[in-house]
Amino acid sequence: GDSVTQMEGPVTLSEEAFLTINCTYTATGYPSLFWYVQYPGEGLQLLLKATKADDKGSNKGFEATYRKETTSFHLEKGSVQVSDSAVYFCALTGGGYNKLIFGAGTRLAVHP
Amino acid sequence: ETGVTQSPTHLIKTRGQQVTLRCSSQSGHNTVSWYQQALGQGPQFIFQYYREEENGRGNFPPRFSGLQFPNYSSELNVNALELDDSALYLCASSPNQGNYGYTFGSGTRLTVV
Repeated sequence: GDSVTQMEGPVTLSEEAFLTINCTYTATGYPSLFWYVQYPGEGLQLLLKATKADDKGSNKGFEATYRKETTSFHLEKGSVQVSDSAVYFCALTGGGYNKLIFGAGTRLAVHP
Repeated sequence: ETGVTQSPTHLIKTRGQQVTLRCSSQSGHNTVSWYQQALGQGPQFIFQYYREEENGRGNFPPRFSGLQFPNYSSELNVNALELDDSALYLCASSPNQGNYGYTFGSGTRLTVV
């Protein structure tokens, strides 16, 4: 079945460092791809999305490109801030009726 | 516009009891999905309702059931609670069966003791 694999965390960075969180997927058909962020004690917030191959999603300095040839959707940010500390989930819509299938999440900790 | 709101925010129940969680979808959204997020894991799909009909279900037993009302709000009911049901339960809504993504609520933290 459809699935999402993310790099294990935690990822620990200093403020202003470059961030990459790897995400690869397995899916039949042509899923849409998403990154969600979860701050401590809160629900999920949509960070960015891409609906077809080669699309680039971007928001708040974060970017990810839908790469069909490598089945990847890696999250990047050029300069992280302490306020970016959170858990990041890669997800796709698949398995019929557009249900979201999530990866296990990657915790990011940014230190001053 | 208001987003997705869930109630209660926290709940403690005893094993074997029944619980009802509630969700108000975002204005204009006719699709509601429920997810279970165990500690340290990604959310797992429970089921989805579209215009008051269940149109998708994940790998959860029948003691997990739901409803969607004419105003598109929704309930998740869990009978015969087990310790492993302790989790964050997330509700998500969409205007068109999730074709462009979902908006999530802040969740209900259920603890079963």
